[in-house]
Amino acid sequence: AQKVTQAQTEISVVEKEDVTLDCVYETRDTTYYLFWYKQPPSGELVFLIRRNSFDEQNEISGRYSWNFQKSTSSFNFTITASQVVDSAVYFCALRHYGGTSYGKLTFGQGTILTVHP
Amino acid sequence: DGGITQSPKYLFRKEGQNVTLSCEQNLNHDAMYWYRQDPGQGLRLIYYSQIVNDFQKGDIAEGYSVSREKKESFPLTVTSAQKNPTAFYLCASSTGIVTEAFFGQGTRLTVV
Repeated sequence: AQKVTQAQTEISVVEKEDVTLDCVYETRDTTYYLFWYKQPPSGELVFLIRRNSFDEQNEISGRYSWNFQKSTSSFNFTITASQVVDSAVYFCALRHYGGTSYGKLTFGQGTILTVHP
Repeated sequence: DGGITQSPKYLFRKEGQNVTLSCEQNLNHDAMYWYRQDPGQGLRLIYYSQIVNDFQKGDIAEGYSVSREKKESFPLTVTSAQKNPTAFYLCASSTGIVTEAFFGQGTRLTVV
C-alpha cells in the first residue's frame, strides 16, 4: 500500500518551544516526491517544501527544518522557536512516480498545531 | 494574477440533487486534482488528471464525476449517489509530477 501517516493528530505547545511534526510514508516506487503543506484557518493550503527520493539532504529555511530519512521512510518537520502564527494544520504528502498511480498525490491525515502565547 | 479559482465559496443543495463545483486555473498547468476534506480525515483524493481528456479515480471516487475537456478547467460533479456529500472540497493543479501543487481556496458544500 502507498500511504502517508501523520500519527500526531494534535500538538499543543507554548510560544518559543520547538516542535517536530512526524511523517511516515509507504511506497513501492523507487522515485517519488514528498511535500509539506500548511493550512491556516482560511483553508487554502500553502506549499512549504518539496523533496525527491534521491535527495536526502536536510533543509533549513528560517525557523523551519526538514529531516528526510529514507531508511526509516520518514520526512519530519521541525519548527524552532514556535510562534502563534505557526498555528495551523500541517500536511505531509507523497506523489507517486511509477505504475498505475503515476502522478497521484496522497496526503496524510494532517497534524493540528496550536501555539499558545 | 495567476492562480486557481474555485467557485462558489459556499454552496447549499438539497439532498438528491446533483451539484457541480467549478475549478479554473490560468497557470498553464497540466495536472489537476480534486480533494475532499472532512474533520480529522485529512485530504482524500477524489479524482486527478495529468493531461486534457484523461483522468483517473482517486481513493474516494464513488458518487463523483469529473471532466477535463480544457486544460484550464476541471469541474467536479457531486451526484446524488454520494452518501455524505457535505464537506470542504479543494482543487489543485501542478505543472507536472515533480512540482508542488497549488491549491484553490476551496468550496464548502452543505447538503440539507
